[in-house]
Amino acid sequence: AQSVTQLGSHVSVSEGALVLLRCNYSSSVPPYLFWYVQYPNQGLQLLLKYTSAATLVKGINGFEAEFKKSETSFHLTKPSAHMRDAAEYFCAVKSSGGYQKVTFGTGTKLQVIP
Amino acid sequence: GAGVSQSPSNKVTEKGKDVELRCDPISGHTALYWYRQSLGQGLEFLIYFQGNSAPDKSGLPSDRFSAERTGGSVSTLTIQRTQQEDSAVYLCASSNPGDRANEKLFFGSGTQLSVL
Repeated sequence: AQSVTQLGSHVSVSEGALVLLRCNYSSSVPPYLFWYVQYPNQGLQLLLKYTSAATLVKGINGFEAEFKKSETSFHLTKPSAHMRDAAEYFCAVKSSGGYQKVTFGTGTKLQVIP
Repeated sequence: GAGVSQSPSNKVTEKGKDVELRCDPISGHTALYWYRQSLGQGLEFLIYFQGNSAPDKSGLPSDRFSAERTGGSVSTLTIQRTQQEDSAVYLCASSNPGDRANEKLFFGSGTQLSVL
C-alpha cells in the first residue's frame, strides 16, 4: 500500500519569505515521489520528481524538494516566495515496481501575501 | 493528440440520471487514470488502466461507477443514477510507463459535473 500525507491544507507566506510545504509518504517498496502544481483555473502540471537518482531534486520556478528516507519525507521548498506561486500543490507517490498507481495527497493551498 | 482531451468540459444533470465522461489520452500512452477532485478532498483516485485492463479499481466509490477503455486509447467513465455527492471535477491523466526518464502524468482539463 502507498499513501502520502500533506500537513496543512492552507499555508500563507509573505512575498519574499521561505516556502515550506510538507509531505510524508508511506510505501512498501522504494517510491517515486512527485510534486504537482495547479494554478488558478489551470490544469495540474508536474513541478518536480524523485525517481531514485539524486535525493535533492530541483524543479521549475525555483522550487526544490529533498527525499529523506529516514524521515519518509519529501518536503517542497522555495527560498523566496513570489505572488505567482499562489496555487494548490499536491504531493504524489508511485511504487517503483511495475505497479503504476499514482496516489495523491489532499493538497496544500499556498497563499502569498504582498 | 497533443494533450489529454476530456469531454464534456461541463455537465449539468439531474439527480438519478446517468452520465458518461470521456477521456482521450495522449497517443501511445498505455497508462490511463481517473481521479475525482472535490473541494477539500484533494485528488481522489478512482481507477487506472494499463492498456485495456484495469489492475486497480479500488477507488470507485460505489457500484454506480464504472469505466472502460477500448483499443488501448479512449476511456469512458460512467456514473449511473447520479447523486448530488457525485458533483466534482473528474480528471483524466495518461502516462507512458516505459519512458522512465520522463515519468509523469499528463492531465486533461477535467469535466465539471454538477448534479442538481
